[in-house]
Amino acid sequence: DIQMTQSPSSLSASVGDRVTITCRASQSISRYLNWYQQKPGNAPKLLIYAASSLQSGVPSRFSGSGSGTDFTLSISSLQPEDFATYYCQQSYSTPYSFGQGTKLEIK
Amino acid sequence: EVQLVESGGGVVRPGGSLRLSCAASGFTFDDYGMNWVRQAPGKGLEWVSGTNWNGGSTGYADSVKGRFTISRDNAKNSLYLQMNNLKAEDTALYYCARDRLTVVVTGYYYYMDVWGKGTTVTVSS
Repeated sequence: DIQMTQSPSSLSASVGDRVTITCRASQSISRYLNWYQQKPGNAPKLLIYAASSLQSGVPSRFSGSGSGTDFTLSISSLQPEDFATYYCQQSYSTPYSFGQGTKLEIK
Repeated sequence: EVQLVESGGGVVRPGGSLRLSCAASGFTFDDYGMNWVRQAPGKGLEWVSGTNWNGGSTGYADSVKGRFTISRDNAKNSLYLQMNNLKAEDTALYYCARDRLTVVVTGYYYYMDVWGKGTTVTVSS
């Protein structure tokens, strides 16, 4: 099974900052990597699929990159509504697996 | 409006059974694979099970294999998760999620683009 590891587990930042979250797969997954945002009490929301494709309706300040085993999610200028927990997920093979999450908090 | 609504959660004793349902609306249900994803209290997301468009291909997390069964009824636009021999560690909020497929030159990409609000399962004596 493929293990997904995110770093950092938590991150403090200010409105307007640029932040980057990293996700590493235990084996190569090509570009089969998705990113989700989850706010307290809500279901996850898809942000990025296929490593770098922006889901419809998601602001362009979100971007994804990477292939193989190393991936990043970047937010170019943090907005108040971006403070949430972010998860990566591999869809290369079942069982699908998620990273442990990165909680983005206001500094 | 595209929507998924889960139901069937509740409190059950260890070793008991429960059947979750997910009602889909606003899209052609049998055009999509479907998944169950759970989240234990205060924890991260865990993929539980998935099925292709007709139920002919299914997959399970190791933690539930042999105890849970995913199925679907396309005539009723519904997805199910039969959970047997429940354990305390199965306590979680269970989401159903649509499996979207995008085909590009580089491959077939799956991602979960629509999620329900979830139904809570509590396993406790």
